[in-house]
Amino acid sequence: QQPVQSPQAVILREGEDAVINCSSSKALYSVHWYRQKHGEAPVFLMILLKGGEQKGHDKISASFNEKKQQSSLYLTASQLSYSGTYFCGTEQDYKYIFGTGTRLKVLA
Amino acid sequence: ETGVTQTPRHLVMGMTNKKSLKCEQHLGHNAMYWYKQSAKKPLELMFVYNFKEQTENNSVPSRFSPECPNSSHLFLHLHTLQPEDSALYLCASSQVDENTGELFFGEGSRLTVL
Repeated sequence: QQPVQSPQAVILREGEDAVINCSSSKALYSVHWYRQKHGEAPVFLMILLKGGEQKGHDKISASFNEKKQQSSLYLTASQLSYSGTYFCGTEQDYKYIFGTGTRLKVLA
Repeated sequence: ETGVTQTPRHLVMGMTNKKSLKCEQHLGHNAMYWYKQSAKKPLELMFVYNFKEQTENNSVPSRFSPECPNSSHLFLHLHTLQPEDSALYLCASSQVDENTGELFFGEGSRLTVL
């Protein structure tokens, strides 16, 4: 089942922070986060591993909730270049599934 | 340049045509994927190949036929498509060991079915 992301869309000013959530009906063992700009392919941002370790972007972080059925992506001091659609990706039953997506727009 | 190349970038075809999409990865990965992305919809997994073996056919209609002749190449053969099949088709590759590594995507093939 496809992970559900929230919010569906968010608009913020440059320098503001944002949180994007990825919720699954099953426990998440690792979560990848991707950003897709309009007309471009998705690009890998970071991975959150089951023990909480993170690899990837230095201004973007992520965490699990207690039951590990939700991951949150934290965007700090957003920049104009952060605009795009964010997808979480997770492996379920040997299939790599993406979440429903969150459209983020950063305004100057 | 992500190391994954897709051709053609744009394709327009009639419902009775036969065409193919091609994907090539230069990253030495052992898994390749086809995803469909329709307007305002999330990425839908279509097919997965691990070590050239198809491990997933995500309830995709038979008018889509994948082929993986080796670990670097992946094709999607298209036959008698419907207008609702118009979408961006994305190929990706990854290194699958204990866990699935990050996916590297190609630029996509924009398909329009008339």
